[in-house]
Amino acid sequence: GAGVSQSPRYKVAKRGQDVALRCDPISGHVSLFWYQQALGQGPEFLTYFQNEAQLDKSGLPSDRFFAERPEGSVSTLKIQRTQQEDSAVYLCASSLEVFALAGGSNQETQYFGPGTRLLVL
Amino acid sequence: ELKVEQNPLFLSMQEGKNYTIYCNYSTTSDRLYWYRQDPGKSLESLFVLLSNGAVKQEGRLMASLDTKARLSTLHITAAVHDLSATYFCAVDIPQGGSEKLVFGKGTKLTVNP
Repeated sequence: GAGVSQSPRYKVAKRGQDVALRCDPISGHVSLFWYQQALGQGPEFLTYFQNEAQLDKSGLPSDRFFAERPEGSVSTLKIQRTQQEDSAVYLCASSLEVFALAGGSNQETQYFGPGTRLLVL
Repeated sequence: ELKVEQNPLFLSMQEGKNYTIYCNYSTTSDRLYWYRQDPGKSLESLFVLLSNGAVKQEGRLMASLDTKARLSTLHITAAVHDLSATYFCAVDIPQGGSEKLVFGKGTKLTVNP
């Protein structure tokens, strides 16, 4: 079946420009995550949604970062007034079940999309 | 704050050899994940380890989890070139309704003919 998809795959922005990154999770997946991966590093958590509710946004680096998932499926990560340090790959992941409900099964495995590579000049 | 440390960060090995990648984490967790990432690609799930003593094998890769030692290992047997990639371990932190993963920095594996 279809996996997690993200668009655009590549984005070049001028410093100060606003950008919007889209994530289409696997159909029926309850949980959705955004991560930021700098070059040569592991992904770092940004924010988490359970259906349409944003339950954790502790990883968002500044108030220029905003994420939403209004209907509990597609999510958008918006970065306002982009800075050079925002250059990274932005990964979206989804999982079928909420951790507490999965009862120790594999259903909470997070499946990652291909990422959006953002370059801010 | 949870820290996840992998070693080595870089590994160059010859085809046919065996090696182990180590993943240590600093706080209690019963779930550990191994992912593979090829250059320019996203992360592919390899293993989910759900309990102390769990061992899973797929082809030439075997992963284990010791929650008491807060240690997971990824063992490579008779490496082949196709295994060249970056391998990440990640620990699940369920807290306050969230389930975020905390990743190690990755181990970049190069298998030489």
